Amino acid sequence: DTVLTQSPALAVSPGERVTISCRASESVSTLMHWYQQKPGQQPKLLIYLASNLESGVPARFSGSGSGTDFTLTIDPVEADDTATYYCQQSWNDPTFGGGTKLELK
Amino acid sequence: EVKLVESGGGLVQPGRSLKLSCAASGFSFNDYWMGWVRQAPGKGLEWIGEINQDSSTINYTPSLKDKFTISRDNAQNTLYLQMSKLGSEDTAIYYCARETTEGISYYFDYWGQGVMVTVSS
Repeated sequence: DTVLTQSPALAVSPGERVTISCRASESVSTLMHWYQQKPGQQPKLLIYLASNLESGVPARFSGSGSGTDFTLTIDPVEADDTATYYCQQSWNDPTFGGGTKLELK
Repeated sequence: EVKLVESGGGLVQPGRSLKLSCAASGFSFNDYWMGWVRQAPGKGLEWIGEINQDSSTINYTPSLKDKFTISRDNAQNTLYLQMSKLGSEDTAIYYCARETTEGISYYFDYWGQGVMVTVSS
């Protein structure tokens, strides 16, 4: 299995720029996707294939990376962005990162 | 509007079986791979498996292959997850999700609201 490692939590102030990282245990090319999950809700696709913004997702969200290191950036952060963010690879059988919980100060 | 609605969850005793359903609407169901993902309380997401459009290919995460069976009925626009020999470790929210393919990759672009399964005596 390809293991995806994310930092467990981040705290930022509204209006700031935040980067959420995801490191894969092996290269997944650009086959990495990002989801947002708010408390009590299902996950929502934000970014697919490392850097493509899903339709309807605000342009404040962006993704980058290839190989083993990937980043989700939110700029600027808004209060509504409080959520847990998951990366997921599809290079082989899908695996998810452990999630990064984003809190606003 | 794409909608995925899971049902069939609840409280089940250890060792018993349970079958979940996922009713799809708002898109051409028989054109898409579909998958199941679960989330234990307070934990992250775990991929269970997936099924292709005509049920000729079904993939599972290895640890669940002998316990869970995925199927679909394209005439009824419904996806199923048959779970057997349930244990406390299977307590989770179960999500169905639509897979969209881009070249060799795919991702989950729509998710149901999830259904809770609690395994307890």
